Amino acid sequence: GQQLNQSPQSMFIQEGEDVSMNCTSSSIFNTWLWYKQDPGEGPVLLIALYKAGELTSNGRLTAQFGITRKDSFLNISASIPSDVGIYFCAGGGSNYKLTFGKGTLLTVNP
Amino acid sequence: DAGVTQSPTHLIKTRGQQVTLRCSPKSGHDTVSWYQQALGQGPQFIFQYYEEEERQRGNFPDRFSGHQFPNYSSELNVNALLLGDSALYLCASSFIAGGIADTQYFGPGTRLTVL
Repeated sequence: GQQLNQSPQSMFIQEGEDVSMNCTSSSIFNTWLWYKQDPGEGPVLLIALYKAGELTSNGRLTAQFGITRKDSFLNISASIPSDVGIYFCAGGGSNYKLTFGKGTLLTVNP
Repeated sequence: DAGVTQSPTHLIKTRGQQVTLRCSPKSGHDTVSWYQQALGQGPQFIFQYYEEEERQRGNFPDRFSGHQFPNYSSELNVNALLLGDSALYLCASSFIAGGIADTQYFGPGTRLTVL
């Protein structure tokens, strides 16, 4: 099935560093969502974006809905050990289904 | 406020068997979507139920079927299980009547292993 292009695949950073990851698509989406998934758990919604150009923050997390509606990025500032996990982007279209990226594995070294 | 719940947590079946997975949506939600997540991949959309009907379907064979009940809970059925059906099955709920159907909240998943 279709998946979004999410990069990087994995990141190894030191505690306190900032992180940036992004997602691109050949298709236009009406909604961009960012989720975090821990091993053996379901994805947890971090940020939802509904308008092109929208910039939204949730604590240390900031995400933007690209102007072209074909991309989105997620930034995490001042990373901490509990930020470890897999981050997924997801695009929502008019058909209500979500299309996911393959995920970015984040490792934070204390 | 109860979140999305799924049962069972884990399940082991053999090839050719049938399985039923269950999901209760987040309180106030009216729509349930099912996803399959293979190891190392993002979730793949199976289908979505609203008003007790399947409204969208992904690229999955007819062996995958579902149902939504009047209380909005849902079941996913898979017949004639194949080894390749081994995956984490995720249920997500949303609120179509609220106009934000894309904002989906996930349950913890059911880990299905087919031997």
